[in-house]
Amino acid sequence: GENVEQHPSTLSVQEGDSAVIKCTYSDSASNYFPWYKQELGKGPQLIIDIRSNVGEKKDQRIAVTLNKTAKHFSLHITETQPEDSAVYFCAASLSGDKLTFGTGTRLAVRP
Amino acid sequence: GAVVSQHPSRVICKSGTSVKIECRSLDFQATTMFWYRQFPKQSLMLMATSNEGSKATYEQGVEKDKFLINHASLTLSTLTVTSAHPEDSSFYICSASDRGSNQPQHFGDGTRLSIL
Repeated sequence: GENVEQHPSTLSVQEGDSAVIKCTYSDSASNYFPWYKQELGKGPQLIIDIRSNVGEKKDQRIAVTLNKTAKHFSLHITETQPEDSAVYFCAASLSGDKLTFGTGTRLAVRP
Repeated sequence: GAVVSQHPSRVICKSGTSVKIECRSLDFQATTMFWYRQFPKQSLMLMATSNEGSKATYEQGVEKDKFLINHASLTLSTLTVTSAHPEDSSFYICSASDRGSNQPQHFGDGTRLSIL
């Protein structure tokens, strides 16, 4: 089955700096890669996703890149703000079916 | 759009009690809903996939008689933890996707279950 690895497990950045979280997946058949933000005591919230037919997608301060050959994808957050502090999960699936999640990254943005 | 509501948000009950958790898609029809379990500071682990009008598909190691799933309509799936024990204490989260393929999964806000 699919295996998703995520790094780093914790990340602390100064407000205004950029944050990058990286994930690798094992199943070359996976073609859908969402990123979720989870705040304390809440469910994950979809923040951006990318499909295997594109290499990059951007939504304001958030961008995701995908390298299918290397089987890795990354989340980039620019101009970080304190409200970006949360746990971020990457995931991989085949056509939006069962999601396999990474282990999560706890992001802390220092004011 | 794409709002998933989960109820209750928190349950505290005695060992041996059965607990039902509801997951509703409020503004879309969900052919498929998923149930996850999350331990503190860990990732989400898929327990089962719930398909409207058919039996749920359980992941390896998940007891189907312990975790009963019913998906009777396109907007409601329920998870019943039967005869709950302290080791069943966890954060349970559901997700749903709109009908059709390649639709993102949207998550409820989870249910924190504490068994005394």
